[in-house]
Amino acid sequence: DGGITQSPKYLFRKEGQNVTLSCEQNLNHDAMYWYRQDPGQGLRLIYYSQIVNDFQKGDIAEGYSVSREKKESFPLTVTSAQKNPTAFYLCASISGHWSGELFFGEGSRLTVL
Amino acid sequence: DQQVKQNSPSLSVQEGRISILNCDYTNSMFDYFLWYKKYPAEGPTFLISISSIKDKNEDGRFTVFLNKSAKHLSLHIVPSQPGDSAVYFCAASGAGSQGNLIFGKGTKLSVKP
Repeated sequence: DGGITQSPKYLFRKEGQNVTLSCEQNLNHDAMYWYRQDPGQGLRLIYYSQIVNDFQKGDIAEGYSVSREKKESFPLTVTSAQKNPTAFYLCASISGHWSGELFFGEGSRLTVL
Repeated sequence: DQQVKQNSPSLSVQEGRISILNCDYTNSMFDYFLWYKKYPAEGPTFLISISSIKDKNEDGRFTVFLNKSAKHLSLHIVPSQPGDSAVYFCAASGAGSQGNLIFGKGTKLSVKP
């Protein structure tokens, strides 16, 4: 079945450590996105990539980094510079034809201890 | 400054009755509006969308109404079912921005049997 796979589902990190969240899709979608959700908040865009080897900052990119070396993969690194990293992270993708539908993964919950 | 607002954090409805979820926006450049449904610890799933050139879109039990002059949209669910209990996010996008969605904070719908 086609879809988006995020791993790990749950992750704990000590302060000062970098952590990388994985996002893989087999939908052959061109564009991929990382959103963050905090309790009682909407989703906010961190980074997005419309083609391989290219990506742009979203609304809250500070403290995060991404790479897009393959069409299928869009990993997100939460660096120690991110002041408040505890959140639910969602990866999404869309096909070349924008139908309004973002396909989301099941999310990764990061907790900083 | 929130560009997409869902002013009701929660809504409780009896099974079989109508659920009406509301959303207001401030940016007149938005040209596409979407509703997503989200269960706890899962990624959102696309529900229904509407282009700014329309005032109504219907898909089975779900209807979205758009009032551009009031910068207001609403999602109607008729009849409501217990399985509809979830958090509903309103989202908007501007021309050319595709998956760069601006989300509201969500409304938690509870449908009681």
